[in-house]
Amino acid sequence: DAGITQSPRYKITETGRQVTLMCHQTWSHSYMFWYRQDLGHGLRLIYYSAAADITDKGEVPDGYVVSRSKTENFPLTLESATRSQTSVYFCASGREGDEQFFGPGTRLTVL
Amino acid sequence: RKEVEQDPGPFNVPEGATVAFNCTYSNSASQSFFWYRQDCRKEPKLLMSVYSSGNEDGRFTAQLNRASQYISLLIRDSKLSDSATYLCVVIYPSGTYKYIFGTGTRLKVLA
Repeated sequence: DAGITQSPRYKITETGRQVTLMCHQTWSHSYMFWYRQDLGHGLRLIYYSAAADITDKGEVPDGYVVSRSKTENFPLTLESATRSQTSVYFCASGREGDEQFFGPGTRLTVL
Repeated sequence: RKEVEQDPGPFNVPEGATVAFNCTYSNSASQSFFWYRQDCRKEPKLLMSVYSSGNEDGRFTAQLNRASQYISLLIRDSKLSDSATYLCVVIYPSGTYKYIFGTGTRLKVLA
């Protein structure tokens, strides 16, 4: 089905472990984004990508790594998870300068 | 000064009331504007695009004031189901496109 999906939907991990959150879209949108949203707060941009092999930092990139070897995938890796990275992570995609479509989110807990 | 600012609310209004939110932006080169709705701990979903000529969709009206650099969202005849957080997003070109979300305005419609 067309759309944007995220996996896993829920993840519990321990401090210091590496975690990868997956994002996949079927629209061939050029732009993709990763946001985090902490309880009671707004969206904060972690990284975004304007096209395959082009990524750029957002507001809160520290502790995260992204890659975009294919247009449809935009994985987010926490190299060494910390408790402060407990959050809901949303992936989004969109055409250049146009609306974004959000995935359902991944709820990550770091113990 | 933040690039995009919204009154966080909450706006508590009775059913049937009319309520309006504003979103101010600082970059005069901003090209595209949208309103999103976000229900508690769910992904944001597009509510409306905002055009220079205004945009109406049923009980919802969105307007753009370029001179004063703000967009607005008017909700008429509020329903209980309108209770949510409303996010504005402003897009401007800067090399790649920059997408700036406001922190959201929380609306509670009371029976």
